[in-house]
Amino acid sequence: GAVVSQHPSWVICKSGTSVKIECRSLDFQATTMFWYRQFPKQSLMLMATSNEGSKATYEQGVEKDKFLINHASLTLSTLTVTSAHPEDSSFYICSAAPSGTDTQYFGPGTRLTVL
Amino acid sequence: DAKTTQPTSMDCAEGRAANLPCNHSTISGNEYVYWYRQIHSQGPQYIIHGLKNNETNEMASLIITEDRKSSTLILPHATLRDTAVYYCIVRVSGSARQLTFGSGTQLTVLP
Repeated sequence: GAVVSQHPSWVICKSGTSVKIECRSLDFQATTMFWYRQFPKQSLMLMATSNEGSKATYEQGVEKDKFLINHASLTLSTLTVTSAHPEDSSFYICSAAPSGTDTQYFGPGTRLTVL
Repeated sequence: DAKTTQPTSMDCAEGRAANLPCNHSTISGNEYVYWYRQIHSQGPQYIIHGLKNNETNEMASLIITEDRKSSTLILPHATLRDTAVYYCIVRVSGSARQLTFGSGTQLTVLP
């Protein structure tokens, strides 16, 4: 199957700092990638849809100025959590589907802890 | 996308078949049934999907009822590493469409 990677796998930062998370499709190209967030004992919640070469679309309640998404190439999307606060601590997961297919493949996730 | 209903949790003995049910009574004709699983602290893993015919791959089998209102994921010989939350998701095709996750079924494989 297709492989999606994320970096870093975990990060700890101080409140008020910014953190960048990378999502890469390793063996396929993807014009669309998705960013999800998962709090403990909860299911995945879609945050935003990342579109190559255009602006991301955000789900209701997700602040676009706080969660900056850049999809600069067909294999890389980045999520930057700006001015992070403890309530942003969560498991962030990205997914993508090879162009022309319907199956989404997920990255291993990034555990963010904001102190 | 159609709503799905799954049991909250299930247990299965190691080596036995695990049968995970999913109800999707409002499924429409162009919606597929997808199954993913999430092992603790990992990203979801694709298992299998189907439209109306039964499907089988190296991981599992998917049985869809004739009226398509329910389906069953079968892990033929469950191992301890199959312990995970299993998600049944119904959606139309298209790589630009996101997946909507419900609560899933926590499958625990017992030694």
